[in-house]
Amino acid sequence: DAKTTQPPSMDCAEGRAANLPCNHSTISGNEYVYWYRQIHSQGPQYIIHGLKNNETNEMASLIITEDRKSSTLILPHATLRDTAVYYCIVSDLTGGGNKLTFGTGTQLKVEL
Amino acid sequence: GAVVSQHPSRVICKSGTSVKIECRSLDFQATTMFWYRQFPKQSLMLMATSNEGSKATYEQGVEKDKFLINHASLTLSTLTVTSAHPEDSSFYICSVRRGRDTQYFGPGTRLTVL
Repeated sequence: DAKTTQPPSMDCAEGRAANLPCNHSTISGNEYVYWYRQIHSQGPQYIIHGLKNNETNEMASLIITEDRKSSTLILPHATLRDTAVYYCIVSDLTGGGNKLTFGTGTQLKVEL
Repeated sequence: GAVVSQHPSRVICKSGTSVKIECRSLDFQATTMFWYRQFPKQSLMLMATSNEGSKATYEQGVEKDKFLINHASLTLSTLTVTSAHPEDSSFYICSVRRGRDTQYFGPGTRLTVL
């Protein structure tokens, strides 16, 4: 699996949009971009994933650059409960790899 | 709602004993489940891939005789930590592959070995 680079930490004011960047310059054509988050002492929670097109669901939006070398996860209105470690992972789960390799992620702290 | 459950959520045992952790897929059949381990202030590390009806595939450096995995049905995989020692104390998390391209994680099991 290709590696990703994320800032170690970010702060965001409650109610504002949180934009979490991720670089994945060595991503291959079959690899998806996945975002998970982990709140302290819990299992990771799936947020969103995409291949080429931008994606949106009830939790977040995922913006993938045209060259697919980077992406941004957007939480449109961050709340205190969004404080967590956010992991950006690239993987080809549809193929024989079947593995999610977790990096160190971004610790997002949402404050009043 | 939750799609993956784990039991127990936390367990404390004495050194030298064995501990079994269950991972259940709640609303779909899963041919593939994964087991991860997470030490304090570190990221998740994949330990093994559990395949229904066949032997698990272990990651490099993970002892298969110490971490026994049984995936006997399409909804249940178990991880047994044999002869546990304090260095095995960790947060153990399973995940389930759903569909072609998504994995969902369980809530985790906190193991403390005294």
